[in-house]
Amino acid sequence: GEDVEQSLFLSVREGDSSVINCTYTDSSSTYLYWYKQEPGAGLQLLTYIFSNMDMKQDQRLTVLLNKKDKHLSLRIADTQTGDSAIYFCAEGGFQKLVFGTGTRLLVSP
Amino acid sequence: NAGVTQTPKFQVLKTGQSMTLQCAQDMNHNSMYWYRQDPGMGLRLIYYSASEGTTDKGEVPNGYNVSRLNKREFSLRLESAAPSQTSVYFCASSDGFSGNTIYFGEGSWLTVV
Repeated sequence: GEDVEQSLFLSVREGDSSVINCTYTDSSSTYLYWYKQEPGAGLQLLTYIFSNMDMKQDQRLTVLLNKKDKHLSLRIADTQTGDSAIYFCAEGGFQKLVFGTGTRLLVSP
Repeated sequence: NAGVTQTPKFQVLKTGQSMTLQCAQDMNHNSMYWYRQDPGMGLRLIYYSASEGTTDKGEVPNGYNVSRLNKREFSLRLESAAPSQTSVYFCASSDGFSGNTIYFGEGSWLTVV
């Protein structure tokens, strides 16, 4: 079945770059997503990438997709304390998404 | 802009009690979903509704029932709550076409004692 894996924790200093990694198994996924969840809140879509793309940049966010290795990463440049949250990778085609376990990012001043 | 609204936000149930989580979206989306979130397990799909009048099982449907009341509303029912159903429940919706982007409600915290 489909499976999405992420490391559980990442700690960085304010101003550094953060890289959150994700591996997935379903090569037929049409889209891959990054969601952010702040404490006590629902998931907020950060960005997504089509499966036929290698990279997508959106302001401080850069998504890299390696289809051969089924590896997705999210880079946050100039990480701020407000970026502290849980980040979920998700893969999906029509109608349904499969989520990873989430990576908790802690940004220290 | 309400988006996806779910109620209640918090609920404590005794084992064996029943309850219904309500969800409504105002984005005219075709598809709606119920997920549960447990520590270390990410989000798991309970049920989804691809369009009004249809519902399908997700990854963890046992112990739950759903109703797609109309295009706006999708409810989740626990007929006989069990402690294993203690979780955070998220309703979500999507139009199924625009990059399949899914929008989430703020979550319902359910504790079964």
